[in-house]
Amino acid sequence: TQLLEQSPQFLSIQEGENLTVYCNSSSVFSSLQWYRQEPGEGPVLLVTVVTGGEVKKLKRLTFQFGDARKDSSLHITAAQPGDTGLYLCAGDVGNFGNEKLTFGTGTRLTIIP
Amino acid sequence: EAQVTQNPRYLITVTGKKLTVTCSQNMNHEYMSWYRQDPGLGLRQIYYSMNVEVTDKGDVPEGYKVSRKEKRNFPLILESPSPNQTSLYFCASSLKGFQPQHFGDGTRLSIL
Repeated sequence: TQLLEQSPQFLSIQEGENLTVYCNSSSVFSSLQWYRQEPGEGPVLLVTVVTGGEVKKLKRLTFQFGDARKDSSLHITAAQPGDTGLYLCAGDVGNFGNEKLTFGTGTRLTIIP
Repeated sequence: EAQVTQNPRYLITVTGKKLTVTCSQNMNHEYMSWYRQDPGLGLRQIYYSMNVEVTDKGDVPEGYKVSRKEKRNFPLILESPSPNQTSLYFCASSLKGFQPQHFGDGTRLSIL
């Protein structure tokens, strides 16, 4: 059973459009991280959200942590070809002695010029 | 420059021929881990190490070994590789296990 479900799995849209991708779980997370991975490279951290209801902005990217800390969303405004990549969420369940991240399966985003 | 370095980046080999993928980090991180990435399955943790001489199994440890003799190095060993270990492998490090991970650029491994 996948602890973190990401949707959609694939998304292809035109440059300039807006989009939202989701990261959902039945577990409560102490924190949640978002990464972007480009071909031939490892994932790179975009943001960490910690507080339920927290909203963080990174230029055209807006990240939100659900009030119950079980889900998160990433909204991109006016998508650009440089946003193309695999977006991964990763959660920390916060159990002492089990200090690890669990990764979602990812959303592969393609922005068409 | 802070980085995690994996070698080799690409390897094609045959079933049963022992191989080692090296990983080194220059950030003095305590925590290091190995992941494999497969289509539709995401990143799955193979082994992790919370500090020197402390290693433990992740979610998919079968067929792999690791060692942590020095803080900066965390090699991944496949004693007898099999085709189901064909995958993209990532090494990562962080201050603690639940903190943001710094990833290497990956090793694409093909076992024939």
